[in-house]
Amino acid sequence: DAKTTQPPSMDCAEGRAANLPCNHSTISGNEYVYWYRQIHSQGPQYIIHGLKNNETNEMASLIITEDRKSSTLILPHATLRDTAVYYCIVREYGNKLVFGAGTILRVKS
Amino acid sequence: DAGVTQSPTHLIKTRGQQVTLRCSPKSGHDTVSWYQQALGQGPQFIFQYYEEEERQRGNFPDRFSGHQFPNYSSELNVNALLLGDSALYLCASSFESLGTFGSGTRLTVV
Repeated sequence: DAKTTQPPSMDCAEGRAANLPCNHSTISGNEYVYWYRQIHSQGPQYIIHGLKNNETNEMASLIITEDRKSSTLILPHATLRDTAVYYCIVREYGNKLVFGAGTILRVKS
Repeated sequence: DAGVTQSPTHLIKTRGQQVTLRCSPKSGHDTVSWYQQALGQGPQFIFQYYEEEERQRGNFPDRFSGHQFPNYSSELNVNALLLGDSALYLCASSFESLGTFGSGTRLTVV
């Protein structure tokens, strides 16, 4: 079973920041937080991952709380092409990915 | 640089038949994982292959089997197909953990 809880859906205005929350209260010390997204009819796409520290790459930022029980994925300037299902996953390095239902993000013009 | 390639893209089979799906990993990747995604749900892990051996397995019956070849490509075989096996089958390849997914094979069982 997935070890994360995400809201089923969110809306965001185009050009604004999209903040997607994730709860993982049972995360263990050696588990990373990963984010993937899946655009309709395509395979999941890796976005970002982190262990304890906040991370940023060209796609997004990941903010992990100090107790590591929750995190937020931030898309700084959402576009219509960011409309997708976003999955938050916790996993040990090298282990399988366990997907939950994810959050459907709808970016609207 | 080619990513993960899966074939065929779409497939229709009859109940009771057998099917083989194929996956070519991204260049430099040595590990292949297979996932099943039913409509409206997240992908579910089937199994993972590394060095031609099954390394991890999810909660799927023995009707689901796989193989990895020396060039790291992989096949997923499903025997005695059921209507409930209709899904998108995703292959992910990886090297040292970070994975890349293919676009999947859409299997419809009628």
